[in-house]
Amino acid sequence: NAGVTQTPKFQVLKTGQSMTLQCAQDMNHEYMSWYRQDPGMGLRLIHYSVGAGITDQGEVPNGYNVSRSTTEDFPLRLLSAAPSQTSVYFCASSDGQGFYGYTFGSGTRLTVV
Amino acid sequence: RKEVEQDPGPFNVPEGATVAFNCTYSNSASQSFFWYRQDCRKEPKLLMSVYSSGNEDGRFTAQLNRASQYISLLIRDSKLSDSATYLCVVNLNTGFQKLVFGTGTRLLVSP
Repeated sequence: NAGVTQTPKFQVLKTGQSMTLQCAQDMNHEYMSWYRQDPGMGLRLIHYSVGAGITDQGEVPNGYNVSRSTTEDFPLRLLSAAPSQTSVYFCASSDGQGFYGYTFGSGTRLTVV
Repeated sequence: RKEVEQDPGPFNVPEGATVAFNCTYSNSASQSFFWYRQDCRKEPKLLMSVYSSGNEDGRFTAQLNRASQYISLLIRDSKLSDSATYLCVVNLNTGFQKLVFGTGTRLLVSP
């Protein structure tokens, strides 16, 4: 049971480039989310999904897009990378009951130069 | 005011010590509560849920005070391996499970 898998683990982008961060879970979880973590700040919600075909914006959605075509996958797309998007990105999933918290992927460290 | 506030620390304690962290939350509609542990450059991992009646898991005890809107975590007999950042997490559960994270409290356990 792999849990939540994120790729890549590290990425360097130039300003203006686009890329997709991949996230996959094998626990048949309904809820999936993307967070970013910056020094001195708590994890902040970017986008989330409550099931296949359903997504919505979180606290800091600007510059990011998501889609959820299957229960397993929830990719995060950076449309035109900016230095302010330098961060650590975590994907997380939950069974929807809320009682057991979230399972996180190992993260993607993104640097935009 | 931040939705979830924690003392960033670091808390420096010797092995075997007892240490306690507190966390306050601002939204009285918060429905569930968690402590996560995050090691340096790693993902957060669920340490324990926090129940209204308080709960214990080995050396760890979590308490919830809804009236005062704070959560606590007590670690007894600290081990070197307890060194990490402890994140207080509140679930608003407003249709969607909105998890709000504190910035974390850093614990350093020394020999």
